[in-house]
Amino acid sequence: DQQVKQNSPSLSVQEGRISILNCDYTNSMFDYFLWYKKYPAEGPTFLISISSIKDKNEDGRFTVFLNKSAKHLSLHIVPSQPGDSAVYFCAASVSAAGGTSYGKLTFGQGTILTVHP
Amino acid sequence: SQTIHQWPATLVQPVGSPLSLECTVEGTSNPNLYWYRQAAGRGLQLLFYSVGIGQISSEVPQNLSASRPQDRQFILSSKKLLLSDSGFYLCASHRGLTTNEKLFFGSGTQLSVL
Repeated sequence: DQQVKQNSPSLSVQEGRISILNCDYTNSMFDYFLWYKKYPAEGPTFLISISSIKDKNEDGRFTVFLNKSAKHLSLHIVPSQPGDSAVYFCAASVSAAGGTSYGKLTFGQGTILTVHP
Repeated sequence: SQTIHQWPATLVQPVGSPLSLECTVEGTSNPNLYWYRQAAGRGLQLLFYSVGIGQISSEVPQNLSASRPQDRQFILSSKKLLLSDSGFYLCASHRGLTTNEKLFFGSGTQLSVL
């Protein structure tokens, strides 16, 4: 039973256009959401996050939107660049007192983004 | 910042053989350490985490075990591999008190059990 799903295995976008990566979750206890990016032969690296008390978080070209009622979040990359080509993982967690939940993330399957020059 | 060393990058093992994957962390002390696995078509799944030497918590029942003999060393083992153990294994380290951002990953091991 996958609690975090990325239903698009891949996405292809032209350089300069917007990339939109989607993620759905089922566990209503999740209150913190993250996106990680992974290049081949490297581990995932943190990209951007959002707390459930917000519906939008922006960092440069990257914006994450959270729709709690739909249990859906999305990552927008504008403008897309060839260097953004990577696998993007959505992840979620449940906050807990004492910090013991931190690092215990539930990940989606990942979406392969290809940005064409 | 932290650096996580994980080896080997790829591994092909026969069914029934033992397994030992090692992860070492540099640049921090007393981190929380994690083993994640991505099976084909699935997301990264947390297998084990450790908050200190000798302290291991298992998240899912399985054919694998983990040990933490030193503060910055985390080992994933199996006595007899199964076909279902195939996947991409990632070690991760967390040293932070408030957020999930500070979860650093190693480069991973692609394990194929044949």
